[in-house]
Amino acid sequence: DVKVTQSSRYLVKRTGEKVFLECVQDMDHENMFWYRQDPGLGLRLIYFSYDVKMKEKGDIPEGYSVSREKKERFSLILESASTNQTSMYLCASSSSDRTLTDTQYFGPGTRLTVL
Amino acid sequence: QKEVEQDPGPLSVPEGAIVSLNCTYSNSAFQYFMWYRQYSRKGPELLMYTYSSGNKEDGRFTAQVDKSSKYISLFIRDSQPSDSATYLCARAGTYKYIFGTGTRLKVLA
Repeated sequence: DVKVTQSSRYLVKRTGEKVFLECVQDMDHENMFWYRQDPGLGLRLIYFSYDVKMKEKGDIPEGYSVSREKKERFSLILESASTNQTSMYLCASSSSDRTLTDTQYFGPGTRLTVL
Repeated sequence: QKEVEQDPGPLSVPEGAIVSLNCTYSNSAFQYFMWYRQYSRKGPELLMYTYSSGNKEDGRFTAQVDKSSKYISLFIRDSQPSDSATYLCARAGTYKYIFGTGTRLKVLA
């Protein structure tokens, strides 16, 4: 079974703090993704990575950065957390088998609250 | 217009009912569509995927794509309280998915 784990289920931070969200997958997947999920807005892609040290902006990258130093690990960084970054953050991974759908497998999510 | 649109619900049905969940999409260039199920405070899990048009069945679940009307449907037969969740449709593409906002389903015992 594919397993995607996220470092924290719940996180509370203060405005201006630097926040690190960690994601690890154990299926040797090439692609990894960070989304945020908000009521009424659904899942929105923040960043993705298709290889180690490679990253691409998604639809809402502002205020975020990412790091992928190892294939299995993809980190999301909030340089200076703000209250509008309070959200559910979901990590996903997929292989690069382009004959199929590059099915994305999700982690359990991190619910981040910024006070 | 959003590329994938989905009625947010909530949709409440009695146990045993047939449930129909629907999405519309605007870009006919993509042909893979996915359904994810998300329980409260959990990550989405893949339920089914379909390619192009037609039906795909898996147990109590049937996914259907109608290319002519750009409609994606998920049918749940003999619905159970354990089916209560949010259902997300998505159109798949290279790397990027576009998700609907999800439909919240409640199956009443």
